[in-house]
Amino acid sequence: KAGVTQTPRYLIKTRGQQVTLSCSPISGHRSVSWYQQTPGQGLQFLFEYFSETQRNKGNFPGRFSGRQFSNSRSEMNVSTLELGDSALYLCASSPRTAVSETQYFGPGTRLLVL
Amino acid sequence: SQQGEEDPQALSIQEGENATMNCSYKTSINNLQWYRQNSGRGLVHLILIRSNEREKHSGRLRVTLDTSKKSSSLLITASRAADTASYFCATGSNYKLTFGKGTLLTVNP
Repeated sequence: KAGVTQTPRYLIKTRGQQVTLSCSPISGHRSVSWYQQTPGQGLQFLFEYFSETQRNKGNFPGRFSGRQFSNSRSEMNVSTLELGDSALYLCASSPRTAVSETQYFGPGTRLLVL
Repeated sequence: SQQGEEDPQALSIQEGENATMNCSYKTSINNLQWYRQNSGRGLVHLILIRSNEREKHSGRLRVTLDTSKKSSSLLITASRAADTASYFCATGSNYKLTFGKGTLLTVNP
């Protein structure tokens, strides 16, 4: 099976702009989670989508949003970008079943906000 | 908030040596997982140990879990330069993980 893919891999934006990141999960996986990784805060959970619905949300402002499509692909949007949003954004997929206890991560999108 | 805290933050060893990393966590868990990250790229799942297990092996990896101390350790034996990476422990579920800050392992040729 193909792994989790994320596009684009690198992005440069300026403060105030918005950005949309995309994640395609492993075929058959219906759960997609997003994480932000920064040197200061480490890896932090943003939110999880399952069957096109946001099921869990981390402690991030409303500028961070997402959605999931019927084919399980997910997008994450950050509006009114701030310098502190510069980070590696990782998505992970899972079949979210009792027999599969882990998540599989994509290569990430590195966002630089200038 | 960070559930797992790795120790040490950085570790530098020579090829062929063993590397041991430790992780402590705060709340009760169903399982604990270890991931590897090469130079700011995606996370690769290494091994999962369940709360009713004390030790698990996978190739050159050995993981132990002590639920009474809320701690785990990852041992990499006969390390190689390709093992150079950051290693994270994680707790949670298959849709939400809480990670520690990680241990940066450098294996010198």
